[in-house]
Amino acid sequence: GQSLEQPSEVTAVEGAIVQINCTYQTSGFYGLSWYQQHDGGAPTFLSYNALDGLEETGRFSSFLSRSDSYGYLLLQELQMKDSASYFCAVRGDDKIIFGKGTRLHILP
Amino acid sequence: GAVVSQHPSRVICKSGTSVKIECRSLDFQATTMFWYRQFPKQSLMLMATSNEGSKATYEQGVEKDKFLINHASLTLSTLTVTSAHPEDSSFYICSVAGGIYEQYFGPGTRLTVT
Repeated sequence: GQSLEQPSEVTAVEGAIVQINCTYQTSGFYGLSWYQQHDGGAPTFLSYNALDGLEETGRFSSFLSRSDSYGYLLLQELQMKDSASYFCAVRGDDKIIFGKGTRLHILP
Repeated sequence: GAVVSQHPSRVICKSGTSVKIECRSLDFQATTMFWYRQFPKQSLMLMATSNEGSKATYEQGVEKDKFLINHASLTLSTLTVTSAHPEDSSFYICSVAGGIYEQYFGPGTRLTVT
């Protein structure tokens, strides 16, 4: 079967850095993606990693270690608008499976 | 990325009635669309994969006779919740695959069954 584990909640301070971890178990692996979802809104695609290493997109970076079945999303210079839920997702054989999401709370 | 719309954004219906939700890919011809359901503070649960011109593929535990999916063109897929009940109240979201790893989501439809 397929499963993804990520923390349910994380709290950080505005301007700080936060890391959201994701471990996965899947049959067939084609990449790890990250999505952001604000309350009441639809998920938006942030990034993906198909190969090991770090991918940087502005304030957001994503890392993958396929040997460890592990990845993380790194958010730098946190802003209040970053308060949202973040989902990791794994591309399996023919579909994408989402984790349960991490609720990010940002304190001023 | 692809632009995806959904209609309606919110709908309230009475128990026992049917509701149709439309998902449109505005700038991308999508042979495949996905339908998800999301309960409050929970993850996205894939309900079915909608295939243009053929039958949808439903996930285990999803009743295909209750959740009717039609993908009649490359830009439109519809989800009809038949004989809706209060437990069907949820946030329904469609998506289009923009690549191997990316999905582009519609804005979602909030269904409330009274």
